[in-house]
Amino acid sequence: NSKVIQTPRYLVKGQGQKAKMRCIPEKGHPVVFWYQQNKNNEFKFLINFQNQEVLQQIDMTEKRFSAECPSNSPCSLEIQSSEAGDSALYLCASGTLISNERLFFGHGTKLSVL
Amino acid sequence: QQKVQQSPESLSVPEGGMASLNCTSSDRNFQYFWWYRQHSGEGPKALMSIFSDGDKKEGRFTAHLNKASLHVSLHIRDSQPSDSALYFCAASEQGGSFNKLTFGAGTRLAVCP
Repeated sequence: NSKVIQTPRYLVKGQGQKAKMRCIPEKGHPVVFWYQQNKNNEFKFLINFQNQEVLQQIDMTEKRFSAECPSNSPCSLEIQSSEAGDSALYLCASGTLISNERLFFGHGTKLSVL
Repeated sequence: QQKVQQSPESLSVPEGGMASLNCTSSDRNFQYFWWYRQHSGEGPKALMSIFSDGDKKEGRFTAHLNKASLHVSLHIRDSQPSDSALYFCAASEQGGSFNKLTFGAGTRLAVCP
């Protein structure tokens, strides 16, 4: 069973609505990633954090996507104004800072934008 | 062109048979490779990593890496129906889980009883 907890499992939004999903990383893991997996199973890296700091992120100039990992609270990914093309499985993964260690993924939040 | 390419797209093997999956990177910066498996309705789960030339064996799974050609393969012996899943090759520029992974498009494996 995955120790990375993502909520909700399913999220249905209308176009233009805000969509927010949360992730609790595995205990003791300072690194958190968000990936988008589309209906063709293709992965797209979105952003990663070390503790509360952003390490890398895609160009979010559209400003529709935002993410944060506050201390003592779940990490979150928010889409301000959902579009049909945002329909996908959003995967959160956590890991350590130890070399050769693997990432652990949650079950994902499946977003459907109608 | 995708930086990490997998073949075949789908594969069917009989129970107890050998499944062989392939992955090639077109980016020489990618030196560290992982194999992930994703069952329907779940997130991906890491099977194994391979960072050095040659073979690496973990149970029924054997990975092979040729750094000169940037070709990685995964061989599953004695395939079981529970091995039926999507298999992804993922590559990064450095080792460690804090480095961004670039995934291939996946190989869908079906193991038939």
